Amino acid sequence: AQSVTQPDIHITVSEGASLELRCNYSYGATPYLFWYVQSPGQGLQLLLKYFSGDTLVQGIKGFEAEFKRSQSSFNLRKPSVHWSDAAEYFCAVGRTTGGYNKLIFGAGTRLAVHP
Amino acid sequence: DVKVTQSSRYLVKRTGEKVFLECVQDMDHENMFWYRQDPGLGLRLIYFSYDVKMKEKGDIPEGYSVSREKKERFSLILESASTNQTSMYLCASSSGAALMNTEAFFGQGTRLTVV
Repeated sequence: AQSVTQPDIHITVSEGASLELRCNYSYGATPYLFWYVQSPGQGLQLLLKYFSGDTLVQGIKGFEAEFKRSQSSFNLRKPSVHWSDAAEYFCAVGRTTGGYNKLIFGAGTRLAVHP
Repeated sequence: DVKVTQSSRYLVKRTGEKVFLECVQDMDHENMFWYRQDPGLGLRLIYFSYDVKMKEKGDIPEGYSVSREKKERFSLILESASTNQTSMYLCASSSGAALMNTEAFFGQGTRLTVV
């Protein structure tokens, strides 16, 4: 069965430091991969997505992610974190079951940013 | 701007009550979803719908039902609320049937407490 693993439940970084959030997936075919962010009290917002082509994907708010098939990973990165980046981040994979397309989410990583 | 609106941000209900959570989208999307969000578990799919009057069970449908009488509205029903249904409920919508259109737009969530 397809699944998504986010190994880090909580991460704390200092403002201005670089960030990498890990995501591993299990999927037999070419995956459709997404990163979403949830700010406190808000719904989820799409940061970026990967379907095919260039394995380095640029998103909003200065985020990028790199698809590595050999490692089954889709890690999210940002070179310099801002205090407003404190939020929960979800990795997701698109899957097809019974002819229907759905998203499978990881458990999330909560990011705290120290001033 | 795309918009998914959930009728309540916070709800407190008593055990055994019938509870209705309403969701409306203004993007003419075919697909609508109800997720439940719990700490450490990420988002889990309860039900989804790909057309009016059509519904499919997700991964955790027990204790829930749904209704989609109009394209823009998707309701989640807790037939007899229980304390283990205390959670954050997120509604989402997406367009198209192809997997690359699985990008979802989320509402702000309804935090339901069952006492």
